[in-house]
Amino acid sequence: GENVEQHPSTLSVQEGDSAVIKCTYSDSASNYFPWYKQELGKGPQLIIDIRSNVGEKKDQRIAVTLNKTAKHFSLHITETQPEDSAVYFCAASRYTGFQKLVFGTGTRLLVSP
Amino acid sequence: EPEVTQTPSHQVTQMGQEVILRCVPISNHLYFYWYRQILGQKVEFLVSFYNNEISEKSEIFDDQFSVERPDGSNFTLKIRSTKLEDSAMYFCASTPNTEAFFGQGTRLTVV
Repeated sequence: GENVEQHPSTLSVQEGDSAVIKCTYSDSASNYFPWYKQELGKGPQLIIDIRSNVGEKKDQRIAVTLNKTAKHFSLHITETQPEDSAVYFCAASRYTGFQKLVFGTGTRLLVSP
Repeated sequence: EPEVTQTPSHQVTQMGQEVILRCVPISNHLYFYWYRQILGQKVEFLVSFYNNEISEKSEIFDDQFSVERPDGSNFTLKIRSTKLEDSAMYFCASTPNTEAFFGQGTRLTVV
């Protein structure tokens, strides 16, 4: 079945450093790849997404890259800040009007001041 | 900013009891979803709902589960006879197209 692997499970960085989280997916028909940030006690919040016709997308300090051939995509956060500390989930779906998101296992990011 | 709201935030129920989790999706969204997250694990898809019927459901969504949109605003998940393993955070989501907006979740504890 569909599966999304995510690494690392935990990531500790110093404030100002960059953080990279990587995901691989199994369903070659996946065409939509969102990243969600989940803070304690809250629901997942979309921070950036990318579609399969694009290789890279950037939004201020956050960027996502997609390699369709290798079936992997990555989240890059530059100039990390303590408020970036949270659990980050990647997801993949085949968008067909509605979508069923298949989530990765999550990465707990800790940014130390 | 519009948001998906879920009630209650925390529900404790005895094994075998029925529970109803409630959600108010964003008003102009057309697609509705339930996901669940067992403590410390990934978020898992349960069911999608469009035009008053289920579009897709996962293996988790067995006969004990049902969804309903009883009026123009609410979207509910019912678990008929809860089991210990149903304890999890349940998230409702809605989408206008691709971007899924999630509620803050209902923590269900089955004792």
